[in-house]
Amino acid sequence: DQQVKQNSPSLSVQEGRISILNCDYTNSMFDYFLWYKKYPAEGPTFLISISSIKDKNEDGRFTVFLNKSAKHLSLHIVPSQPGDSAVYFCAASAVYTGGFKTIFGAGTRLFVKA
Amino acid sequence: DAGVTQSPTHLIKTRGQQVTLRCSPISGHKSVSWYQQVLGQGPQFIFQYYEKEERGRGNFPDRFSARQFPNYSSELNVNALLLGDSALYLCASSDGLDTQYFGPGTRLTVL
Repeated sequence: DQQVKQNSPSLSVQEGRISILNCDYTNSMFDYFLWYKKYPAEGPTFLISISSIKDKNEDGRFTVFLNKSAKHLSLHIVPSQPGDSAVYFCAASAVYTGGFKTIFGAGTRLFVKA
Repeated sequence: DAGVTQSPTHLIKTRGQQVTLRCSPISGHKSVSWYQQVLGQGPQFIFQYYEKEERGRGNFPDRFSARQFPNYSSELNVNALLLGDSALYLCASSDGLDTQYFGPGTRLTVL
């Protein structure tokens, strides 16, 4: 039962262009959505998050959009840089009394070509 | 400022054995979560601990257990290891509800 889905295993983008990574979820009870970046031999690194009550959050080159009616979120990276090449995980957190549970998607590998 | 640390880095065990993985959170963080990541998949939630109490549990068998100590460090124990337990085990700490900081992971190989 995959509650968080990243349907594109990989994405290739030219340096300087926009990278758009997509994510779909099935549970309307999620409170936060997050994006993590992972390099080989390292743990995931937090990138950006968005509360379920918002539809956009921006941090530098990274913007996350949330469409609750479609249960869809996306990460935009503008402009893309070769150092952005990594695996990107979408995650969703459900908060409950005293704790939380985070579900990750399978990841999208981004290649940024110089 | 030290990030999340995990030990050991790599571990090789045989089927049926038991393993203990360790995690030290970022100073000041009271919540620790454990995840299992197999090749080609995202991290799968195992446990979340806050203030030494289990606050969340994923869909893992009872062979998996964990605990959190007064200094907020944590251990993950897996009994009766199966080949399918081979994975990268990630620990994450947080001081809030929306952001977790991950350690480098422990690579467990079960032969």
